[in-house]
Amino acid sequence: DTAVSQTPKYLVTQMGNDKSIKCEQNLGHDTMYWYKQDSKKFLKIMFSYNNKELIINETVPNRFSPKSPDKAHLNLHINSLELGDSAVYFCASSQVTGGASEKLFFGSGTQLSVL
Amino acid sequence: QKEVEQNSGPLSVPEGAIASLNCTYSDRVSQSFFWYRQYSGKSPELIMSIYSNGDKEDGRFTAQLNKASQYVSLLIRDSQPSDSATYLCAVFDTGGFKTIFGAGTRLFVKA
Repeated sequence: DTAVSQTPKYLVTQMGNDKSIKCEQNLGHDTMYWYKQDSKKFLKIMFSYNNKELIINETVPNRFSPKSPDKAHLNLHINSLELGDSAVYFCASSQVTGGASEKLFFGSGTQLSVL
Repeated sequence: QKEVEQNSGPLSVPEGAIASLNCTYSDRVSQSFFWYRQYSGKSPELIMSIYSNGDKEDGRFTAQLNKASQYVSLLIRDSQPSDSATYLCAVFDTGGFKTIFGAGTRLFVKA
């Protein structure tokens, strides 16, 4: 039943490790996103994919590598984790038609803590 | 850099009052505007969308849009303690193919 599901919900790891977050949507949307929400709750886009193609890369360090095997899945791999990567990462999807966005559906978020 | 600005609050209103949340945006050609509600520890959830100038009502919520002034607002009538949350104003950047969020306004409704 879950529209956008992401795993894991919590991720605690050491600096320098590599980790992945997975996201899947069953809404049939063409566009998927990764957003980062920092400690001040500011929600900022990192990447967007439309039909498996990368559309947006918002000056994110290349330690972050998204992958979209199909339009229902968007994963995020992070290499060499740093303290500053600690945040909540949200996956989202939406349908963009005629240049206007429909609503964003968010996953439940992944709380990443880098120690 | 396209921006969406909100007063971070907190905005405190008594139960039953009208809460008024405001937002301005920088991109004059924006066409799609949204309000999301985010409870602490939860993900954002869309509560209102508006595309045309004027008011749009949905239950206790009214969104107002003035494209000439580049201004969007959200009114919550008969505020309830359960409305206490952070409200995020969002604008779809058509050229950039992405939604830009404001920093959010924290609302507290006192019982």
